Amino acid sequence: DAKTTQPTSMDCAEGRAANLPCNHSTISGNEYVYWYRQIHSQGPQYIIHGLKNNETNEMASLIITEDRKSSTLILPHATLRDTAVYYCIVRLLTGTASKLTFGTGTRLQVTL
Amino acid sequence: GAVVSQHPSRVICKSGTSVKIECRSLDFQATTMFWYRQFPKKSLMLMATSNEGSKATYEQGVEKDKFLINHASLTLSTLTVTSAHPEDSSFYICSARVSGTGLSPLHFGNGTRLTVT
Repeated sequence: DAKTTQPTSMDCAEGRAANLPCNHSTISGNEYVYWYRQIHSQGPQYIIHGLKNNETNEMASLIITEDRKSSTLILPHATLRDTAVYYCIVRLLTGTASKLTFGTGTRLQVTL
Repeated sequence: GAVVSQHPSRVICKSGTSVKIECRSLDFQATTMFWYRQFPKKSLMLMATSNEGSKATYEQGVEKDKFLINHASLTLSTLTVTSAHPEDSSFYICSARVSGTGLSPLHFGNGTRLTVT
């Protein structure tokens, strides 16, 4: 799976949008971008995934650049409960046994 | 939505004893489950892939005789840490994906914090 690069940490004021970048310059055409987050002492939580089109769900939006070499996860109105480590993962789909490899992620701190 | 339950959430054991951790998919079937380990302030490291009805596949550097995995049904996988030592103290997390859906996301349990004294 392609390697990803994320900033180590970011801060965001509560109520503002949190924009978390991810670089995946070596991504191949059949690899998807997945985002998970992990709140302290819990298991990771799935947020969103996409291939090349922008995606939106009830949690977040995913913006993927046209060349697919980078993406941005957007939390439109961050709350204190969004404080977590956010992982951007690029994954090749090869069936249900396809595994996820986690990088170091971005530690997002949402403040008052 | 798909729920993965892990038990126990916390366990303390003495050095030399064995500990079993259960991972259940509550509302879906999972032919494959994954076991991760996470040390403090570190990322998740995949230990092994658990396959229903067959042997688990271990990642490089993970001792299969120390971390015994059994996936006897489509909803249950167990990880047994044998002859535990203090360096095995960690946060163990399992995950699963709905069978037959390679595109669907992995669902994670809430982890088991193992402390070996």
